[in-house]
This record gives sequence, structure tokens and C-alpha cells, in this order.
Amino acid sequence: GAGVSQTPSNKVTEKGKYVELRCDPISGHTALYWYRQSLGQGPEFLIYFQGTGAADDSGLPNDRFFAVRPEGSVSTLKIQRTERGDSAVYLCASSWGVGELFFGEGSRLTVL
Amino acid sequence: TQLLEQSPQFLSIQEGENLTVYCNSSSVFSSLQWYRQEPGEGPVLLVTVVTGGEVKKLKRLTFQFGDARKDSSLHITAAQPGDTGLYLCAGVRSNYQLIWGAGTKLIIKP
Repeated sequence: GAGVSQTPSNKVTEKGKYVELRCDPISGHTALYWYRQSLGQGPEFLIYFQGTGAADDSGLPNDRFFAVRPEGSVSTLKIQRTERGDSAVYLCASSWGVGELFFGEGSRLTVL
Repeated sequence: TQLLEQSPQFLSIQEGENLTVYCNSSSVFSSLQWYRQEPGEGPVLLVTVVTGGEVKKLKRLTFQFGDARKDSSLHITAAQPGDTGLYLCAGVRSNYQLIWGAGTKLIIKP
């Protein structure tokens, strides 16, 4: 596609459930990033992929969060045992190398 | 802890007025970026400033990077309703690591 695509755009789940958020980056972009943005805040770094490998996962808040990018393109952010504090907009961005980041529209997660 | 402080957090002004948004830090960055974000969308890059003291202009927007590369400002001349949005600054710490401010929510009233 022309831009970064994220699905679902909205996800409402119950506390304790498992959630997967998908990111389809711009074709050919080697780098992929996941950020989390809470209301009234700037994006918070979660994880950075260069190709298939996670080059930096230091922003993942705890072991309930995990992300994969098995073929170096689409990435999935997985959240286990969701908590109300996980509610936020999860943003994905991609870039060619370390160039300009292009963001998707985000997946809004609400944990009830 | 927010390493980049943006001020003001919220600004509502009339069309035609001028405004300045500030982004301050105690840390030095290799470069600094300004983004604009609209509701329901991701941030979009406006400009990257790299050299201390650098000034870049984008139509009615003027961006300045502090001499010490710790702070930056965004000045908008003759603001228009289309300028409404959330303005975010982000310090570039490494080749990929961005440190974000909390943003300035700007509303321009017609």
C-alpha cells in the first residue's frame, strides 16, 4: 500500500484477554517501530526492528508485551493478560534505513 | 519523566495572530524534529533541524534549533484555522531513538 496500514483501528477488550495488533509497513522499508501514545502525551518508544530482528526492545514495559516481524515486513504486537493501564493508541512507523519515519493511523486499544 | 518539555501545553488564538511553541531539554541531541498530528492520525514530520543555531522556514512556520542543541522553537506567523493540530517535538538521540515531548495542542479560531 501507499502508506503504513494498521489493524484494527479500534479494539475494545476485557481485562485479562490477549490482543494482537498488526502493522503493514510501506513496501521496501527496512525499519519498523512500535510506539504507544496515551492521551495528552507524546509517543513512547516500545520496540524497533531492522529487518526481521528486534534491534532494540528496551521500551517494552514488561514481559506481557511481545512483537514479531517474521518476514521483515508485516509486524504483530502481542499483549497478553491485558490490563486497564494498557489502554492507549499504539502507533506503528516505518522508514528506509534510518530515514524519515512514516506513521500509521494507529490502533486504539481500550481495556475495560 | 519527560526529557523534552514543551510549552505551552495548550494554546487557543484567533486567526491572524502570531505564536511561538517551545521545546526544552537539559540533554543534547544530534538533531531535533517537529511533527504535526491530527486527531485519529499518526504524526507527520514537518522539519528536522541539525546544526546548532539553525533556522528553517516552511511557509509561515519558522523552526529554530538552539546553539547548544538542547532546545528548539516553532514560530507561526499569521496563524490560520488549517494550522490547528497537535505539534510534537522529538529529539534524535541515536540513529533511530526519538525522545518525544508531550505536545502542544493548538487551536486557531476563525
